[in-house]
Amino acid sequence: QKEVEQDPGPLSVPEGAIVSLNCTYSNSAFQYFMWYRQYSRKGPELLMYTYSSGNKEDGRFTAQVDKSSKYISLFIRDSQPSDSATYLCAMKRTGGGADGLTFGKGTHLIIQP
Amino acid sequence: ETGVTQTPRHLVMGMTNKKSLKCEQHLGHNAMYWYKQSAKKPLELMFVYSLEERVENNSVPSRFSPECPNSSHLFLHLHTLQPEDSALYLCASSYSFGGDYNEQFFGPGTRLTVL
Repeated sequence: QKEVEQDPGPLSVPEGAIVSLNCTYSNSAFQYFMWYRQYSRKGPELLMYTYSSGNKEDGRFTAQVDKSSKYISLFIRDSQPSDSATYLCAMKRTGGGADGLTFGKGTHLIIQP
Repeated sequence: ETGVTQTPRHLVMGMTNKKSLKCEQHLGHNAMYWYKQSAKKPLELMFVYSLEERVENNSVPSRFSPECPNSSHLFLHLHTLQPEDSALYLCASSYSFGGDYNEQFFGPGTRLTVL
């Protein structure tokens, strides 16, 4: 079983739709959960991070973590063509320190104008 | 320059060549990372340096040799690579102290093709 599972897509939705992206994981030691966005020919950039279980909202983006189910989600409201990118979930055991991140494969998202 | 920069952006090399990838961070961080991003695979952590000391080597073949001469610069020396080493190589940096979350900032990557 892979540590982090993420459907690579592509996921294609019309502009204005609500997008739901998710990952499952197997390592219960993960406590920090991140969503990165990666545009073509660019490096990943952090969208949001969440500590432990719960919800976090930032503008049109909402991250949810359910540690009991080992399931994390990212919701994008009022999706825009500029949201078209690959979305990567990532996790780590600790917040501070120099720990590497464990990533999912990434979901390729296409927002149709 | 701002953020994390990587050179070259693209590299094509033969299996017998020796080349180096360079990463520089302008964020005042003290930890640096190399990741490999292959098609249809998750980003894989290769090496971690904290305060210029290697703290993690994720079972990477010896044909990849990292070097961190100071907290702002990170190199990945490549020799006798295989075609399956073709990938996007990403550098990242962060702080490495404190109990709160330390964000990792990524560079744009070097697209490596091994012929």
